[in-house]
Formats: sequence, C-alpha cells, structure tokens
Amino acid sequence: DADVTQTPRNRITKTGKRIMLECSQTKGHDRMYWYRQDPGLGLQLIYYSFDVKDINKGEISDGYSVSRQAQAKFSLSLESAIPNQTALYFCATSDVGSNTGELFFGEGSRLTVL
Amino acid sequence: AQSVAQPEDQVNVAEGNPLTVKCTYSVSGNPYLFWYVQYPNRGLQFLLKYITGDNLVKGSYGFEAEFNKSQTSFHLKKPSALVSDSALYFCAVRPANDYKLSFGAGTTVTVRA
Repeated sequence: DADVTQTPRNRITKTGKRIMLECSQTKGHDRMYWYRQDPGLGLQLIYYSFDVKDINKGEISDGYSVSRQAQAKFSLSLESAIPNQTALYFCATSDVGSNTGELFFGEGSRLTVL
Repeated sequence: AQSVAQPEDQVNVAEGNPLTVKCTYSVSGNPYLFWYVQYPNRGLQFLLKYITGDNLVKGSYGFEAEFNKSQTSFHLKKPSALVSDSALYFCAVRPANDYKLSFGAGTTVTVRA
C-alpha cells in the first residue's frame, strides 16, 4: 500500500459543484501539503499544515479550503468548482524531524471541471 | 521570494549518451535544493538533494547533481541515459529557514533507443 493515498484518483464534475479531495498517510509525518500541477507551471502550493491545529495558506489558496481531521488526514475542498480549477492535485507529507524537509507525494488526483 | 527556473521544456537524448537537465534558482540565504522525477500517471519521487557539503551530490538511479553557488545552478546529470529515464523532472528550492518548497516548471526528458 502507498504511504500517501489520495482519493479519488480521477473526478469529473460540473461548474458550481462542491468537491472534496482526500489524503491519508501512514508515514507518521506531522506536515502535510496540497499542491496543484498545471502543464508548464510546475507545482503550486495551495495549503499546508504543520500539525492538526495549524493551517496555512500557500501561493494559490483562493477558491480552496482544507481540513486537517487528524495527523494522518488532510482534505482539500473546492466549495464551488470552476473550470480553471481543472488540474492535477497532489498531497505531500514531510517529517518535522528531518532537517531537509524532503517531501513524499501521493499519486495525484486528476480533477476536471466542466 | 524564492524561485526556480528550468530553461528547457524538453530534453531529447539517445540512450547511452550523457543527460543534463538544467536548473537555476533564486533564494535568500543558504539554499536547500532538490530534484524530483514524475513518471506518467504517478506522483513525484525524490531523486536527490543538496543541503551542505560537497557540491556534487549523488542520488537514485545513477543521477547526480552539481551545486554551483556562483552561478546559482543545480544541474541534474546522468553519464549514460536509459530509455526508462524518460519522465518529467522537477527542480525545487527552499531557504534553510523555511519548509515551503518552490518548484520549477519541469523538464520533459525523452531518451530514444
């Protein structure tokens, strides 16, 4: 089983719908992140959380919200999806005990908003 | 603010030839530098990192990268490319005192048989 699991892996939805992407991890890491990948733009940070009570906005948080339900779970919500949120979304974790902050990624959730 | 530039969208090489993927960065203070690889329909996988010490770092799958402080570069290299190295490669940087990584736009590597 993957250490960082994302569900769903693929989702097609319509404009205005609410969507939740879920992430769970078995690595025991405190830090969790949501990134968005668009072709030619690399990865952009949406939100990050350094522990259950800590939520921080990233570079492109508008239109998104997150919930850290437990150390192992971090979900990303789109309250009212729009077509330009069509992208590949990645959850990642890192270990607070690591001085390098190396990220461990899930397999990605591909979202299409029609 | 930190940033990463990967000047080549695509790199094409023949199998057995050397492979170089370029990366330059901008960051305040000492940089922590990373290379990740993404295979089709997969998440990003860590290849190697530079934190401090020797400028030449070795990583997974025979890859290495050279840190050049004066040129603010961290180019990824492999002496002899394989077809299986065909993938999307990302360079990333963060300052030593911040855990938020900034990624480049990525470089698609195609190794032809």
